[in-house]
Amino acid sequence: AQKVTQAQTEISVVEKEDVTLDCVYETRDTTYYLFWYKQPPSGELVFLIRRNSFDEQNEISGRYSWNFQKSTSSFNFTITASQVVDSAVYFCALRRPGSGTYKYIFGTGTRLKVLA
Amino acid sequence: GAGVSQSPSNKVTEKGKDVELRCDPISGHTALYWYRQSLGQGLEFLIYFQGNSAPDKSGLPSDRFSAERTGGSVSTLTIQRTQQEDSAVYLCASSLEGRGVIETQYFGPGTRLLVL
Repeated sequence: AQKVTQAQTEISVVEKEDVTLDCVYETRDTTYYLFWYKQPPSGELVFLIRRNSFDEQNEISGRYSWNFQKSTSSFNFTITASQVVDSAVYFCALRRPGSGTYKYIFGTGTRLKVLA
Repeated sequence: GAGVSQSPSNKVTEKGKDVELRCDPISGHTALYWYRQSLGQGLEFLIYFQGNSAPDKSGLPSDRFSAERTGGSVSTLTIQRTQQEDSAVYLCASSLEGRGVIETQYFGPGTRLLVL
């Protein structure tokens, strides 16, 4: 079975603090894809990153960084020096490869509130 | 280029009425997905289209829900005899998909449906 768990329902931080959003996944596949999406108050999900299971290199994009660890089945997302504009719901998702296995499994999301 | 568009952005209807929600995917995207997001909840998969075919309709909550896609482009999600529990945001996403290639989903802004 496939599953994505985002145990943190809501996190509040003060602006400029660093914050890490956790994502733990379950899959029996050796090849799979992981995604993070941001859903700001406006509602539209914005794609942030995609990672395939063979690439365990951590990635940094500006204030955002992702730590992928297959050993712990985790794909955590860190925002450095958070800003009010980072306030949103963040979703982690898992996808199996191959035609016919098109379903994306989303976590329940983590609501991040960044206070000024 | 243009992203995924959905219409209407908001819909208020009375219980028992039928509603049609429309999704215009990104041009050239072969795969189209419908999701439902209830207040404060994660994304619930409804249906997936590859071209005009819907290989999996198992996510549709009841037989009051149906969807079609014509010309491999626009899709409509129809809810008949709406109930109050149908109130949610209905999200559409599209991606380039096929021949074993996994591509990222891009989401539309959603249709907020309120059934009174």
